[in-house]
Amino acid sequence: GENVEQHPSTLSVQEGDSAVIKCTYSDSASNYFPWYKQELGKGPQLIIDIRSNVGEKKDQRIAVTLNKTAKHFSLHITETQPEDSAVYFCAARGILTGGGNKLTFGTGTQLKVEL
Amino acid sequence: AAGVIQSPRHLIKEKRETATLKCYPIPRHDTVYWYQQGPGQDPQFLISFYEKMQSDKGSIPDRFSAQQFSDYHSELNMSSLELGDSALYFCASSLRALSLNTQYFGPGTRLTVL
Repeated sequence: GENVEQHPSTLSVQEGDSAVIKCTYSDSASNYFPWYKQELGKGPQLIIDIRSNVGEKKDQRIAVTLNKTAKHFSLHITETQPEDSAVYFCAARGILTGGGNKLTFGTGTQLKVEL
Repeated sequence: AAGVIQSPRHLIKEKRETATLKCYPIPRHDTVYWYQQGPGQDPQFLISFYEKMQSDKGSIPDRFSAQQFSDYHSELNMSSLELGDSALYFCASSLRALSLNTQYFGPGTRLTVL
């Protein structure tokens, strides 16, 4: 099955700096890679996602890059703000067949944006 | 916009008791997924349903069962509860017809087994 590794486990940045979180996946058949933000006591919230036929996607201060050959993808947050502080999870999903739409999550990154 | 609704939000049970968690997907969504998240861990996939049929199965214990009803809501039934079942249980929903089939998560049910 799919295995997703995520680094770093914790990340502390100063407000206004950029933050980068990296993930690798094992199953070359995976073709969809969402990123979720989870605040304490809440459910994961989708912040951005990318398909395998796209190398980069950007939405305001958030961007995701994908390298299919190396099987890794990264989340980039620019101009970080205190409200960006949360746990971020990357995930991977395989080909949409009759089933198999489950997400395999990385182990999460605790991002702390300091004033 | 309407989101995924889960009930109850908090549940406390004793060992060996049973629990039922409910999930109401986003309107028009046809697929629901159940995930379990232990403290400090990532969500682990349990089971999913598409159009009321089980579509995928993950690390769901035999003591647990789930189903999706005609109105697309889903219930996760947990029997013979163990201390290790204490966790956050999330339901997510999606619309399979959409190309990305994006999963949207509910707020979760925090289950505590004493």
